Amino acid sequence: SQKIEQNSEALNIQEGKTATLTCNYTNYSPAYLQWYRQDPGRGPVFLLLIRENEKEKRKERLKVTFDTTLKQSLFHITASQPADSATYLCALYPSGGSYIPTFGRGTSLIVHP
Amino acid sequence: DSGVTQTPKHLITATGQRVTLRCSPRSGDLSVYWYQQSLDQGLQFLIHYYNGEERAKGNILERFSAQQFPDLHSELNLSSLELGDSALYFCASSAQSSTGTETYEQYFGPGTRLTVT
Repeated sequence: SQKIEQNSEALNIQEGKTATLTCNYTNYSPAYLQWYRQDPGRGPVFLLLIRENEKEKRKERLKVTFDTTLKQSLFHITASQPADSATYLCALYPSGGSYIPTFGRGTSLIVHP
Repeated sequence: DSGVTQTPKHLITATGQRVTLRCSPRSGDLSVYWYQQSLDQGLQFLIHYYNGEERAKGNILERFSAQQFPDLHSELNLSSLELGDSALYFCASSAQSSTGTETYEQYFGPGTRLTVT
């Protein structure tokens, strides 16, 4: 069955460092992959989308990579700040034109001042 | 603020009851997606409407139903509620492209926290 795995353990890093979060998937051929940020008790906020034929996407301090051979996406936040502390979700869209994503369970990021 | 509104913010009800959750998409968006998020299941897709028509169904129970009205707001009806239905319910809308098709950017509302006692 299709599976999306994100590290369930919180990632703790010091302010100013680069945070790297991982999204692995199996039995899936995604056409698109997205990353969302979610704060406690609030709705997810869209951050970045990357297509299957793209290797890397950047937006300000954020960078996403997508390796369809390894079936993995990495999400980087450079020069992290305590305000970046949140849960980050990856979401995959299947090929075939479906607009229905499958979300991972998310990884909590805690940036210490 | 995403521009997607949901009411009510909190809802506490008893088992066996029925509730209605309401969502208004962002201005100009034609689609509404409903999701359920619980601690043990993560964010689960329930149902998708586009311009009043049901487009896709996910893991939605038969006790749950939804509709999208001509003014594009949507309601999610949950009946015969069970303790396990306690969760956060989100709706989202997706942006339209310049050609009028849907895009993959979803904008989530603040959610309705449902507690079934």
